Amino acid sequence: AQRVTQPEKLLSVFKGAPVELKCNYSYSGSPELFWYVQYSRQRLQLLLRHISRESIKGFTADLNKGETSFHLKKPFAQEEDSAMYYCALRTYSGAGSYQLTFGKGTKLSVIP
Amino acid sequence: GAGVSQTPSNKVTEKGKYVELRCDPISGHTALYWYRQSLGQGPEFLIYFQGTGAADDSGLPNDRFFAVRPEGSVSTLKIQRTERGDSAVYLCASSRTGGSGELFFGEGSRLTVL
Repeated sequence: AQRVTQPEKLLSVFKGAPVELKCNYSYSGSPELFWYVQYSRQRLQLLLRHISRESIKGFTADLNKGETSFHLKKPFAQEEDSAMYYCALRTYSGAGSYQLTFGKGTKLSVIP
Repeated sequence: GAGVSQTPSNKVTEKGKYVELRCDPISGHTALYWYRQSLGQGPEFLIYFQGTGAADDSGLPNDRFFAVRPEGSVSTLKIQRTERGDSAVYLCASSRTGGSGELFFGEGSRLTVL
């Protein structure tokens, strides 16, 4: 069965410092990975997906199949980055159904 | 509407009672998903609708849980004989199509079973 692991429940960094939120996955098929973000009192929303290979709000993430990782990085943290971040793996479960398997999330706190 | 709408936002009930949670997806979105998020956990898949039919209900924990989407738009998640372990935030998401479409989440319905 597929699994997503986010080893850090809480990550605190100072404003301007680099950020790396770790995500590891376990899946026998071809993975499709995402990062979702939930800001305080807002709904869960997509931040980025690995197939797009884009930078959103300064964040990037590279899929490393050898290490089965999809770490989220930003060179200079901003206070508005403080939020809950979830890594998610999308898998095909048949009959046209795709499921997202989420990690437990990492709370990022950026200290002014 | 502007986004996925879920009602009620909060529901407190007693053990053994029946509850219904409603989801109104983004207009035109054919795919609809229910997830459950327990405290300290990420969202967990419950059920997926494509149109009116439940294409995948493999995440429903037991037969006390049931969901419908009779007209292919609004969906209702129904929980019978609620238990304290059912306490969680129930999230609904919709997508323009199934498969690789981006999911748009609602704000969730927080269920507390006393």
